[in-house]
Amino acid sequence: EAGVAQSPRYKIIEKRQSVAFWCNPISGHATLYWYQQILGQGPKLLIQFQNNGVVDDSQLPKDRFSAERLKGVDSTLKIQPAKLEDSAVYLCASSPRGGIAKNIQYFGAGTRLSVL
Amino acid sequence: DAKTTQPPSMDCAEGRAANLPCNHSTISGNEYVYWYRQIHSQGPQYIIHGLKNNETNEMASLIITEDRKSSTLILPHATLRDTAVYYCIVSEHGSSNTGKLIFGQGTTLQVKP
Repeated sequence: EAGVAQSPRYKIIEKRQSVAFWCNPISGHATLYWYQQILGQGPKLLIQFQNNGVVDDSQLPKDRFSAERLKGVDSTLKIQPAKLEDSAVYLCASSPRGGIAKNIQYFGAGTRLSVL
Repeated sequence: DAKTTQPPSMDCAEGRAANLPCNHSTISGNEYVYWYRQIHSQGPQYIIHGLKNNETNEMASLIITEDRKSSTLILPHATLRDTAVYYCIVSEHGSSNTGKLIFGQGTTLQVKP
């Protein structure tokens, strides 16, 4: 079974530029999550989708971050414009729809973003 | 904020059991205990979860105290590949469960030869 795919693996941009990350979840997984992990900290949830609808985006800085999940499969996370403090690893995860399985999330390897 | 407390770091000799503690004194009745780990440059990986009974799978064992206020993850025969950050997370179930995981800083386990 293929895992969660993310691209690119690394990205270096200058502040005020824009950047986009892509995620392809495990086939059949209804729920998709984007996390931000700053160096030395645990991952922090940015946004959660159930199919193509947003379940939780309370921690997403909406003035600069946006995310979409078209057709309930792939997802894109965008930052525009980027700030120095956005330097982090961006992790995508997916999980099956229901019950206890919701908390068993499968993570991709992440995209490491450096903002200079 | 994370609802668990873990030691920041631990060492373990290769081949010995690694016992990672977690305190979750405010856990409620419908919350499960989950353990994930994160190997360097990889995303977190699910290990095991439990409610109140001890659990075992091919990766680890989970021991939950009778009052459920603390738990221990046991890696029975640690290898160098088990070097990672281990996260203990409590998460509720039921109709309000969205699957949200709140990660703390975890315990960095260093397995030494």
